[in-house]
Amino acid sequence: DAGVTQSPTHLIKTRGQQVTLRCSPKSGHDTVSWYQQALGQGPQFIFQYYEEEERQRGNFPDRFSGHQFPNYSSELNVNALLLGDSALYLCASSLDLAASYNEQFFGPGTRLTVL
Amino acid sequence: QQQVKQSPQSLIVQKGGISIINCAYENTAFDYFPWYQQFPGKGPALLIAIRPDVSEKKEGRFTISFNKSAKQFSLHIMDSQPGDSATYFCAGGDSNYQLIWGAGTKLIIKP
Repeated sequence: DAGVTQSPTHLIKTRGQQVTLRCSPKSGHDTVSWYQQALGQGPQFIFQYYEEEERQRGNFPDRFSGHQFPNYSSELNVNALLLGDSALYLCASSLDLAASYNEQFFGPGTRLTVL
Repeated sequence: QQQVKQSPQSLIVQKGGISIINCAYENTAFDYFPWYQQFPGKGPALLIAIRPDVSEKKEGRFTISFNKSAKQFSLHIMDSQPGDSATYFCAGGDSNYQLIWGAGTKLIIKP
């Protein structure tokens, strides 16, 4: 059973460019969350997708957008890249169950470097 | 209100000793408190989690102690091993589906 997979592993972009990161959730999971982890810090919640809609969003600008597909996979898009966007981007999947907080399984992340 | 404060920032423990990491939270709406372990170059992996209706949960060498009135919880690693060397994160989760994370503790177990 494959866990959460993310692509690409590493990415180098320049300021002002746009980037798309991809995530495939763990088999059986229907919910995908995205986190940004700066070097030496804890992950910061970007947003969560469920039933192909953004259900909850953290304190990130509109330059950060996402999408969830019918097969539950997800994309994170970042426009107009800034140097400060350099970070490890983590995708986490979980199974949505009403009235219960469920374990999130994390992928290995995509290391984005903005020059 | 959303913060989770974690301490210490780094910790060195002798092999066989007890590693203790502490977290404090402010948001009383949190109802899920996980601990994650992260190795360099890897994503975080769930180690153990607790809900506020219990004061302690033990899984193998790992124990969470939870003090609801003080809004604090801690991770104890018994008989610490070199393979436990990693960064540990505590977090709080609420019905808004997001996890709020601590800043992390880099744990080094000396052989």
